[in-house]
Amino acid sequence: NAGVTQTPKFQVLKTGQSMTLQCAQDMNHNSMYWYRQDPGMGLRLIYYSASEGTTDKGEVPNGYNVSRLNKREFSLRLESAAPSQTSVYFCASRPGHFYSNQPQHFGDGTRLSIL
Amino acid sequence: AQKVTQAQTEISVVEKEDVTLDCVYETRDTTYYLFWYKQPPSGELVFLIRRNSFDEQNEISGRYSWNFQKSTSSFNFTITASQVVDSAVYFCALIGGGTSYGKLTFGQGTILTVHP
Repeated sequence: NAGVTQTPKFQVLKTGQSMTLQCAQDMNHNSMYWYRQDPGMGLRLIYYSASEGTTDKGEVPNGYNVSRLNKREFSLRLESAAPSQTSVYFCASRPGHFYSNQPQHFGDGTRLSIL
Repeated sequence: AQKVTQAQTEISVVEKEDVTLDCVYETRDTTYYLFWYKQPPSGELVFLIRRNSFDEQNEISGRYSWNFQKSTSSFNFTITASQVVDSAVYFCALIGGGTSYGKLTFGQGTILTVHP
C-alpha cells in the first residue's frame, strides 16, 4: 500500500529554471493538497484540490501552479524558480468529502534547493 | 482567519521525564477539528490524534495523552516517561469552517529532543 507518493525526493535547480513536482495517491481520496515547510514556520498551504477538476489557492500560492490531472494525481509546477522557493514540499490527500474532519495523509516530501 | 501557536520552539529532556507540548488556537468557528502530527528525523508526517470541538474528553493512548480545553483554546500534548524514539518535531493543526473548510492550519512546530 503506497499511500501518497511524491517524486522526486530531492532536486537542485538554478534560479529561473522550471520544474514540476509530482504527487500520486492510491487511496481513492477526493481532496489533495500541496504544502511547503520552512524552518520555524510549520507547514503552509500552497494550493489544494477539493475534488477532481477543481483547484484553489491556499495561503502562499504566488510563484506556483497546479494541475489535478485525475483523481490520483496532483502536480505542482514552479515556472521560474527563485531562491525563496527553497523548501521541503509535501503533498497530502484526505478521504471523504471536503468538509469532513478526516486527517490528511502525507507523502514523504520533496527537498528542493534553488541556487 | 484561524491561527495555531505552539509556544515552545524547542524542548530538551532526559529519557523517562514527562514532557508537555503546548498548543493554543484561534478560530471564530463553532465547529472545528484539532490534530497533532509527528515528524521524526526521517521527515515524514505521522498523524497522531484528531479531536472535534464538541468533544472535550481528554484522551490517553499508551504514553501519550491530550488535554483539550475550549475555555482556554488549548490542546496540549503530554508524553509520559519519554523515550529517545519520541525525538521529533511535533505539529498542532486546526481545520475550521467557512473559508477555511478542509484546509489545515499548522502551528510552527516544537522540536523535542529526548536524551538517553
